[in-house]
Amino acid sequence: DGGITQSPKYLFRKEGQNVTLSCEQNLNHDAMYWYRQDPGQGLRLIYYSQIVNDFQKGDIAEGYSVSREKKESFPLTVTSAQKNPTAFYLCATRGVSTDTQYFGPGTRLTVL
Amino acid sequence: SQQGEEDPQALSIQEGENATMNCSYKTSINNLQWYRQNSGRGLVHLILIRSNEREKHSGRLRVTLDTSKKSSSLLITASRAADTASYFCATDVMDSSYKLIFGSGTRLLVRP
Repeated sequence: DGGITQSPKYLFRKEGQNVTLSCEQNLNHDAMYWYRQDPGQGLRLIYYSQIVNDFQKGDIAEGYSVSREKKESFPLTVTSAQKNPTAFYLCATRGVSTDTQYFGPGTRLTVL
Repeated sequence: SQQGEEDPQALSIQEGENATMNCSYKTSINNLQWYRQNSGRGLVHLILIRSNEREKHSGRLRVTLDTSKKSSSLLITASRAADTASYFCATDVMDSSYKLIFGSGTRLLVRP
């Protein structure tokens, strides 16, 4: 987990609210990723960014939005359009000279 | 889209025994990676094997790759209670996006 922070660790949202999950890294990695994990399941890619001011949709982008204004930061907003947002959200980074991804500790989002 | 499928979904063994888990995938890949996840935590990279490699070792881990069968296996030798975790394979597909596609994981329980 070192070098990647996600906050908060736990987040509770009322239906109809937008919430923003933070992901910050000090690894100087160019690429950043957001994944969603449901109980007992693998990871599904929401959005990814390979460079500042550019990002692409993953497999399940509907109801989510991102920005990449700084290399160190890749916040994820879960909008009210996301019908089933309760899940574990993981942020990851990748350096230019490596094929492996490094993961943050995750944020568990619960909709009340 | 879930490219990798892992087998078994769950595995329970005694400490000291070997654990083998398998991963199958559908499309051509640049490399295949194995990650470990302790409950409620982020993922940790274990080992990467490239498409032109057949076997790789790292400590008590042994990974094989058969590109003709589109399958990989992860062997953990002399297992310890601390190896209890979920293990995921992830494929880096040949589309220059550097995205990883994760399987659904194998939950390993090592009984002391």
